[in-house]
Amino acid sequence: KNEVEQSPQNLTAQEGEFITINCSYSVGISALHWLQQHPGGGIVSLFMLSSGKKKHGRLIATINIQEKHSSLHITASHPRDSAVYICAALYGGSQGNLIFGKGTKLSVKP
Amino acid sequence: NAGVTQTPKFRILKIGQSMTLQCTQDMNHNYMYWYRQDPGMGLKLIYYSVGAGITDKGEVPNGYNVSRSTTEDFPLRLELAAPSQTSVYFCASSYTQPNTGELFFGEGSRLTVL
Repeated sequence: KNEVEQSPQNLTAQEGEFITINCSYSVGISALHWLQQHPGGGIVSLFMLSSGKKKHGRLIATINIQEKHSSLHITASHPRDSAVYICAALYGGSQGNLIFGKGTKLSVKP
Repeated sequence: NAGVTQTPKFRILKIGQSMTLQCTQDMNHNYMYWYRQDPGMGLKLIYYSVGAGITDKGEVPNGYNVSRSTTEDFPLRLELAAPSQTSVYFCASSYTQPNTGELFFGEGSRLTVL
């Protein structure tokens, strides 16, 4: 069964800390998405990865295909980063069937 | 830019009632999706469409129907609402397949069936 596991489930950090959220998945994915769900419920796309590393501002996403693992890093965290971060894996051959993790709830304290 | 627009944002239904969740995107995206999000669970795909006139079932299609008569619109129909359909529903779109393109989500529709 294709699954996506995220850790930790909940994460509390102090403003300025470096944060890492992990995502592991089964074999054979063709892409992995990182999404951010705001406290109000809206979801925005952060990254789409199929290999290597991507960076946008203070956010960095990496993927290791051999280890079946992806990480989302936040440098110099800020209270406005408080949100649920979701990874979703696209298993090969399916056009629309992303498998979503349950999310990591991040709270950054001032 | 409006992006993906969902209506209504909130709705309470009685068991057995029917309703349609509306979804419209103004980005000329070919691919559109309906997901449901239950507490403590990952999003689950209900239905998806790869273009006007083409729809297909996702992981949890039972109790729902969709249509895609235009590129812009992808309504989700709930027939005979049941308490198990209490959830938050998200519509999403992408220009290309999800393995090559960014996903755009609507703000979500919170549905309660009593």
